[in-house]
Amino acid sequence: DAEITQSPRHKITETGRQVTLACHQTWNHNNMFWYRQDLGHGLRLIHYSYGVHDTNKGEVSDGYSVSRSNTEDLPLTLESAASSQTSVYFCATRDSPNTEAFFGQGTRLTVV
Amino acid sequence: QKEVEQNSGPLSVPEGAIASLNCTYSDRVSQSFFWYRQYSGKSPELIMSIYSNGDKEDGRFTAQLNKASQYVSLLIRDSQPSDSATYLCAVNTGFQKLVFGTGTRLLVSP
Repeated sequence: DAEITQSPRHKITETGRQVTLACHQTWNHNNMFWYRQDLGHGLRLIHYSYGVHDTNKGEVSDGYSVSRSNTEDLPLTLESAASSQTSVYFCATRDSPNTEAFFGQGTRLTVV
Repeated sequence: QKEVEQNSGPLSVPEGAIASLNCTYSDRVSQSFFWYRQYSGKSPELIMSIYSNGDKEDGRFTAQLNKASQYVSLLIRDSQPSDSATYLCAVNTGFQKLVFGTGTRLLVSP
């Protein structure tokens, strides 16, 4: 079965360190998204991509970057981790702009 | 104004009752709308998608869309304790971004 795999599932890092969260999908979907979820804020869009070499900023993109070198992967990098980036991060993919999105299991990141 | 708005709840209903969850959106050109359910500590899972004005039924779930009023709702009939979760409304905006509301927490009491 096709799936979306996020790794690691849990991570604790120190302020100022660079952190990369992985997202790998076997759906062969062009559209990929990164969201963060915090209490009271719901799912907020960080970055998204419509295909290889395409990346776009979402509403909360400051301090984050992504790159899309192939269809399967969209890694999310925190350039210099801050305590405000402690959150649960979800990767999602979809086949085309008007279809539903499928989610990975999430990564719980704690910045201390 | 937020792009997608939901009442955070909690919405409390007794077992067997109808739960009504509401969502409004700001982008008039939005064409596709989704309801997701999220259990605590889990990832969101799709319940319903709706693209045209009117009602769409799937088992105990009915999604309703009114594009003129920029309003989407989800009705859950014969609510069960297992329906207790957070329900997320998602809207595909004019820029093809998938934007979520903050979610409504539903509590179904036995």
